[in-house]
Amino acid sequence: KNEVEQSPQNLTAQEGEFITINCSYSVGISALHWLQQHPGGGIVSLFMLSSGKKKHGRLIATINIQEKHSSLHITASHPRDSAVYICAVRSGNYGGSQGNLIFGKGTKLSVKP
Amino acid sequence: NAGVTQTPKFQVLKTGQSMTLQCAQDMNHEYMSWYRQDPGMGLRLIHYSVGAGITDQGEVPNGYNVSRSTTEDFPLRLLSAAPSQTSVYFCASSYSWGLGEQFFGPGTRLTVL
Repeated sequence: KNEVEQSPQNLTAQEGEFITINCSYSVGISALHWLQQHPGGGIVSLFMLSSGKKKHGRLIATINIQEKHSSLHITASHPRDSAVYICAVRSGNYGGSQGNLIFGKGTKLSVKP
Repeated sequence: NAGVTQTPKFQVLKTGQSMTLQCAQDMNHEYMSWYRQDPGMGLRLIHYSVGAGITDQGEVPNGYNVSRSTTEDFPLRLLSAAPSQTSVYFCASSYSWGLGEQFFGPGTRLTVL
């Protein structure tokens, strides 16, 4: 079983729709990251969070530590939001290699005009 | 700041050839890492470094070597390329191991024939 699971794998939406991408993890974590990978391949960090909720523009990320679940929401989606969204967790144990990131497989979002 | 830079952007090798993928960052980050990204899989950690002179293996280290003689540079060496090493390679850095936002390089697309 993968330690980080994302759903859905693929998502097609119409411009303006509200979008939710989910991430569940099975390990204790110190932080969770949401990343965006553009069609050209570059990866940028959107959020890093360890509790609660963060908002940046039309993007909102939430995390529930007890349920080991995070969501990424996009309000008023736009074709330029089309990308792969990747969830990654940093294990809460700092022995060995546990400080490294564990990645989900990504959710491919396509927003149609 | 240039952030994280990688060279080359594209490379084609023949089986058995060796080469070095270059990675540099100008943010004075202690932590640097190399990942490979394959279709249908999440990013997988090859090697990482928590500071100059200190490196360790990640999830998929076989066939790769690294060294970290300076804070800025973290080259990845393929000793004897194999078709299974055809992938997209990303270098990343963050302020410290287990802490902080990760900054990714633009990636190197490697094909081994």
